[in-house]
Amino acid sequence: AQKVTQAQTEISVVEKEDVTLDCVYETRDTTYYLFWYKQPPSGELVFLIRRNSFDEQNEISGRYSWNFQKSTSSFNFTITASQVVDSAVYFCALTADSNYQLIWGAGTKLIIKP
Amino acid sequence: NAGVTQTPKFRVLKTGQSMTLLCAQDMNHEYMYWYRQDPGMGLRLIHYSVGEGTTAKGEVPDGYNVSRLKKQNFLLGLESAAPSQTSVYFCASSLSWNTGELFFGEGSRLTVL
Repeated sequence: AQKVTQAQTEISVVEKEDVTLDCVYETRDTTYYLFWYKQPPSGELVFLIRRNSFDEQNEISGRYSWNFQKSTSSFNFTITASQVVDSAVYFCALTADSNYQLIWGAGTKLIIKP
Repeated sequence: NAGVTQTPKFRVLKTGQSMTLLCAQDMNHEYMYWYRQDPGMGLRLIHYSVGEGTTAKGEVPDGYNVSRLKKQNFLLGLESAAPSQTSVYFCASSLSWNTGELFFGEGSRLTVL
């Protein structure tokens, strides 16, 4: 069975602090894909990144970076110099060759205080 | 370019009533999905479709039916609404199942009294 665990229910930091959101996954498939989505207070869901299981390179996009480590089955997301606009619920998700379903974590609510 | 559009955005039903949520996408995507989002539980897949005329059950299909008569539309029906179906419903579409990027609608908030 596949599973995504986001152990941090809620994180609160002061603006400009760095923050890391944890994501741990479980799958028996050798080919799989990991994602992060953002859900701001307005409610829409926004795709942030996709990473496949054969690509363990870390990704950086502006203030956002992702650390994929197969050895620990983790795909963590770091926001550097956080801003109030980063306040949102962030979801990690997993899919694999064996099914069509995207398995979602429960989400981490990130609060950035001014 | 509208992307994915859901109607209605809000609806209040009484127990036992029926209703249909409409999802329309203008991106010519093959794959469409209906999710529900409940507090603390992330998103759960209700039904999905891999193309026009096809539907399949997801993780929580009971109490819901779907139809994909046209490629651009994916309808979610509640035949006899129950309070447990109070939730926010999201429709999404994608070019293929593993391209990663799901395009979501704005969500439909349904309350069943």
